[in-house]
Amino acid sequence: KAGVTQTPRYLIKTRGQQVTLSCSPISGHRSVSWYQQTPGQGLQFLFEYFSETQRNKGNFPGRFSGRQFSNSRSEMNVSTLELGDSALYLCASSLEEGYYEQYFGPGTRLTVT
Amino acid sequence: AQSVTQLDSQVPVFEEAPVELRCNYSSSVSVYLFWYVQYPNQGLQLLLKYLSGSTLVKGINGFEAEFNKSQTSFHLRKPSVHISDTAEYFCAVTTYSTLTFGKGTMLLVSP
Repeated sequence: KAGVTQTPRYLIKTRGQQVTLSCSPISGHRSVSWYQQTPGQGLQFLFEYFSETQRNKGNFPGRFSGRQFSNSRSEMNVSTLELGDSALYLCASSLEEGYYEQYFGPGTRLTVT
Repeated sequence: AQSVTQLDSQVPVFEEAPVELRCNYSSSVSVYLFWYVQYPNQGLQLLLKYLSGSTLVKGINGFEAEFNKSQTSFHLRKPSVHISDTAEYFCAVTTYSTLTFGKGTMLLVSP
């Protein structure tokens, strides 16, 4: 069974631009979560989606948003990029909402210049 | 709210030696506990998990961990490490579906 896939793997953007990252969960998984990983803050939860609805949101500004499609694929968007948004963005999928075991993708490395 | 403390940011060890990576957590309710490993330029791979039952859990690649409720700890151990175990290890807790991670411990295995 194919794992979680994320595209693109690497991205370079300039301040003020916006970016969209994509995540395809493991087949049959219906819940998708997003995490931001930086050297200073470590791994931080962004949001969780299930049945096309945001179920949980972490402590991030409104510039960070996401959505989930009917096939469980998810996208996250960051508008008005700041230098501090440079990070590895990880997507994780799980079978159902509230299902504890999460499987992570390889991540998208975003660099903001 | 819950929190996770990984006491060591780096643990250097020689190949074939035993290793223990420490993890302590704080939570007002029962939690579920995980260890993940991250190799360079990769995502997180689940090593093992504690959901309920036996407090000693075995995972992949010869790793095991023991849940100690009274000490709120979930230390990761391996009796004999390999060079290929060099990676960053993250302890995580959850009460529902959102994972809270520790800052990570870099395991450096040298010959």
